[in-house]
Amino acid sequence: DGGITQSPKYLFRKEGQNVTLSCEQNLNHDAMYWYRQDPGQGLRLIYYSQIVNDFQKGDIAEGYSVSREKKESFPLTVTSAQKNPTAFYLCASSIGRLAGVSEQYFGPGTRLTVT
Amino acid sequence: KNEVEQSPQNLTAQEGEFITINCSYSVGISALHWLQQHPGGGIVSLFMLSSGKKKHGRLIATINIQEKHSSLHITASHPRDSAVYICAVRRSGDGGSQGNLIFGKGTKLSVKP
Repeated sequence: DGGITQSPKYLFRKEGQNVTLSCEQNLNHDAMYWYRQDPGQGLRLIYYSQIVNDFQKGDIAEGYSVSREKKESFPLTVTSAQKNPTAFYLCASSIGRLAGVSEQYFGPGTRLTVT
Repeated sequence: KNEVEQSPQNLTAQEGEFITINCSYSVGISALHWLQQHPGGGIVSLFMLSSGKKKHGRLIATINIQEKHSSLHITASHPRDSAVYICAVRRSGDGGSQGNLIFGKGTKLSVKP
């Protein structure tokens, strides 16, 4: 079964702690993306990667970091510098390297709550 | 003003009704996507289109590039169609850059039996 997995589905952390969200895909896609979704707002791009060992900041990268050491994996770290980390985080991938040119496949999401 | 506007924000329908969700955008685009997000949060891509019309089962998506408008239609709606429907566009002219998608806020559809 090809797809994108994110774990865990729910994550709780104390303020001041860094936390890493997992995203794995077995679709052999080049590009991977991290989005953040807040109530009443559209999805916003945090980081994206078009190829292994390369990634670019999206619209709201401050307080986040990523790595892309393997094609299949694109973990997102929410650092203590992120002012409002509580949100729903979605990972996506696409076969093409240009967002929007090819269909994006989304993971099930991770709901992060920081108290 | 948001670059991608969807209407209505919320929509309640009776099973069997014909449903239309609208998306208007203010930028030049090279592609428009319709996505479906179920209550659990997972998102599925429904359509990607740059012109004309596409149909998949009971779903139809149309786009009018001149008017910068797209519609998603659901025929013979069913309670399982209840979800949030999201419109997203890719700006044209981004060339070799990533060309991020711009997302609408979504339309929450509830279909009652």
